Amino acid sequence: GDSVTQMEGPVTLSEEAFLTINCTYTATGYPSLFWYVQYPGEGLQLLLKATKADDKGSNKGFEATYRKETTSFHLEKGSVQVSDSAVYFCALSGNYGGSQGNLIFGKGTKLSVKP
Amino acid sequence: DSGVTQTPKHLITATGQRVTLRCSPRSGDLSVYWYQQSLDQGLQFLIQYYNGEERAKGNILERFSAQQFPDLHSELNLSSLELGDSALYFCASSVVGTPSYNEQFFGPGTRLTVL
Repeated sequence: GDSVTQMEGPVTLSEEAFLTINCTYTATGYPSLFWYVQYPGEGLQLLLKATKADDKGSNKGFEATYRKETTSFHLEKGSVQVSDSAVYFCALSGNYGGSQGNLIFGKGTKLSVKP
Repeated sequence: DSGVTQTPKHLITATGQRVTLRCSPRSGDLSVYWYQQSLDQGLQFLIQYYNGEERAKGNILERFSAQQFPDLHSELNLSSLELGDSALYFCASSVVGTPSYNEQFFGPGTRLTVL
């Protein structure tokens, strides 16, 4: 079945450092891909999305490009801030059969940014 | 604030008991999803309802059931509770259940502790 694999954390960075969180997926057909963020004590918020190959999702300085050839959707940010400390989840939504609509998540990567 | 509300915020109960978690979707959203977040299993899709009808099922145990009412709020019923059911339960809503790209808005979650 469909699955998402993302790099394990925790990841600890200094403020203004470059961030990459790797995410790869396995899916039939052409899923939509998402990054969600969970701040401490809160629910998940959609950070960015891409619905077809070569699409780039971006929001709040974060970017991720849908790479079909490598089945990847890596999250990047050029300069992280302390306020970016959170857990980041890569997810996909299939586009066939009974899987339509529901999200399949990776295990999450905890990011801590130190001042 | 996503517009999705969940009650209660915290629930502490004993093994063998039954509990009901409640979710109110965003105004206008017809689809409701339930997810379980636990340390060992990560975030897992449980079940989806669309306009009162069950649309998709994930890794939901037979001891668990859900329903969506005519006013579109949803309840997740967990019975014969076991220690391993302790987790954070999220509800999410979206406008429709298909097509595959389907932004879901998450509630703050209900933390269930089974003692």
